Amino acid sequence: GENVEQHPSTLSVQEGDSAVIKCTYSDSASNYFPWYKQELGKRPQLIIDIRSNVGEKKDQRIAVTLNKTAKHFSLHITETQPEDSAVYFCAASIGGSYIPTFGRGTSLIVHP
Amino acid sequence: EAQVTQNPRYLITVTGKKLTVTCSQNMNHEYMSWYRQDPGLGLRQIYYSMNVEVTDKGDVPEGYKVSRKEKRNFPLILESPSPNQTSLYFCASSLSGADEQYFGPGTRLTVT
Repeated sequence: GENVEQHPSTLSVQEGDSAVIKCTYSDSASNYFPWYKQELGKRPQLIIDIRSNVGEKKDQRIAVTLNKTAKHFSLHITETQPEDSAVYFCAASIGGSYIPTFGRGTSLIVHP
Repeated sequence: EAQVTQNPRYLITVTGKKLTVTCSQNMNHEYMSWYRQDPGLGLRQIYYSMNVEVTDKGDVPEGYKVSRKEKRNFPLILESPSPNQTSLYFCASSLSGADEQYFGPGTRLTVT
């Protein structure tokens, strides 16, 4: 099955800095890569996703890049704010027949 | 309102006492899944279902059972709970494995 590695496990930044979280996956057949944000005590919620026919996708302060050759993808958050503090999970899915495999999560702390 | 519901939200039980956690969605989604979340281990797949009467094992299915008799419901059954099943459980639903997963609010289970 798919294996997803996520780094770092903890990331501490100052407000206004950029944050980058990186994930690698093992199965070259994976073609859907979502990112979820989980605030303390709440459920995970999708913040952005990318499919294998796209190299980069941006939504306001967040962006995701995908390198299929190297089998890695990254989440970029610019101009971080305290409300960005949360656990972020990457995931990879081998097409529509399988549910995503998640990374172990990154705890992002944004200091005011 | 589109939602995934889980019950109970909190449960404390004893080893060996059978329990069921219910999950229901009102979005007519084909896919439903169960994850467990443990510190440092992220979200791990337990079981998933692609449609009524179709279920498949995830990465950590041991000690769990599921059924999908109706499209909207996907209960998780622990026939003989053990302390190592103490965890936070999330149910999720989606149109397919390559679409946004909508998570339920979570069920915190403690087995003593």
